[in-house]
Amino acid sequence: DSGVTQTPKHLITATGQRVTLRCSPRSGDLSVYWYQQSLDQGLQFLIQYYNGEERAKGNILERFSAQQFPDLHSELNLSSLELGDSALYFCASSATWTGGTYEQYFGPGTRLTVT
Amino acid sequence: ILNVEQSPQSLHVQEGDSTNFTCSFPSSNFYALHWYRWETAKSPEALFVMTLNGDEKKKGRISATLNTKEGYSYLYIKGSQPEDSATYLCAYCWAGSNYKLTFGKGTLLTVNP
Repeated sequence: DSGVTQTPKHLITATGQRVTLRCSPRSGDLSVYWYQQSLDQGLQFLIQYYNGEERAKGNILERFSAQQFPDLHSELNLSSLELGDSALYFCASSATWTGGTYEQYFGPGTRLTVT
Repeated sequence: ILNVEQSPQSLHVQEGDSTNFTCSFPSSNFYALHWYRWETAKSPEALFVMTLNGDEKKKGRISATLNTKEGYSYLYIKGSQPEDSATYLCAYCWAGSNYKLTFGKGTLLTVNP
């Protein structure tokens, strides 16, 4: 158990809908990262927050947004969902904002299915 | 586009065999290289973070080396066991990327008893 929690574990929704994925980092970790794992794709970095502020952005679609709250939990909002958004979404956390030199701890993931 | 290549894509070995796989990455602007193990139905788990050319890291039967000048890292598993069966991911971080990790697609290792 990495100490990172994600809810829900599974989510099935229809095209055009909006969903929110939630992540709580390990105790003491200030950085939260969101990744997307689609079929045949490697883990794709979406966005990073550190202590409430956005630190780095990857190939995140404009329909997607995220935030980190004062209690350090983070939410990833996905709107106007398309079939291609079906994927496994991981949250990870690390102690500092320099994610390159510190290992990241991954949550169990949220499996999103868009029908 | 930053390419992190892992080879082979998959590997089947017998229990007790030693094995190794490769992660290739751009040699310029190197910052760090991560290795993760990802077992089926679980989440990726960090094995090593390597930052210096010539770095060698070891954890039990698993070890890794790093060559930043030529842009590759090797992961070695000595005396593979069935519980080593997993996908092994490497991730590259380059200077100027705001410390973002770019992951390879992984090497799927299956160890037959």
